[in-house]
Amino acid sequence: KQEVTQIPAALSVPEGENLVLNCSFTDSAIYNLQWFRQDPGKGLTSLLLIQSSQREQTSGRLNASLDKSSGRSTLYIAASQPGDSATYLCAVKTGNTPLVFGKGTRLSVIA
Amino acid sequence: DTGVSQNPRHKITKRGQNVTFRCDPISEHNRLYWYRQTLGQGPEFLTYFQNEAQLEKSRLLSDRFSAERPKGSFSTLEIQRTEQGDSAMYLCAYGGSYGYTFGSGTRLTVV
Repeated sequence: KQEVTQIPAALSVPEGENLVLNCSFTDSAIYNLQWFRQDPGKGLTSLLLIQSSQREQTSGRLNASLDKSSGRSTLYIAASQPGDSATYLCAVKTGNTPLVFGKGTRLSVIA
Repeated sequence: DTGVSQNPRHKITKRGQNVTFRCDPISEHNRLYWYRQTLGQGPEFLTYFQNEAQLEKSRLLSDRFSAERPKGSFSTLEIQRTEQGDSAMYLCAYGGSYGYTFGSGTRLTVV
């Protein structure tokens, strides 16, 4: 059974800092991995999707990497802004099973 | 516009009442998923449909829960005899090889 862990659970940084969010998964035979953003009380917004054959994906100030063999992914946020404050969720698709989520990292960027 | 419309956005109900949520993907998709998210947790899988067929149900989906997708387009999730433990965000999504797209969710509060 796939399990997804996200560290840290919460993070507070001053504006302008670069930061890394971590995601680990127990079954490395994944199909793809997706990072989402969730604002309080809202639904999920997809940020980046990495297929199992890919090593990284970039979108603006966001860069996600994938190391399947070690069961890890990182989300790098450059030059953080207060508007980046949200919960970031990592989710893994393995075979025909539904998407499995971590508990998320709650990010606060202080102006 | 997330590509998935969920109604209502919020629902407050008394314990013991029945509630029904609706999910409308904007465009047709074969696979439709329901997830539940409680405070501080990642979304947890409830059930999914391939067209009209309900192919998988989580152990979280007690016999008080029922889901339908009558014409392979919109879907409904009904909870009978609601309990306080049913209070959560209920999320609908469509997905496949190119990732998942989630709706804004329905927040249920059972008082």
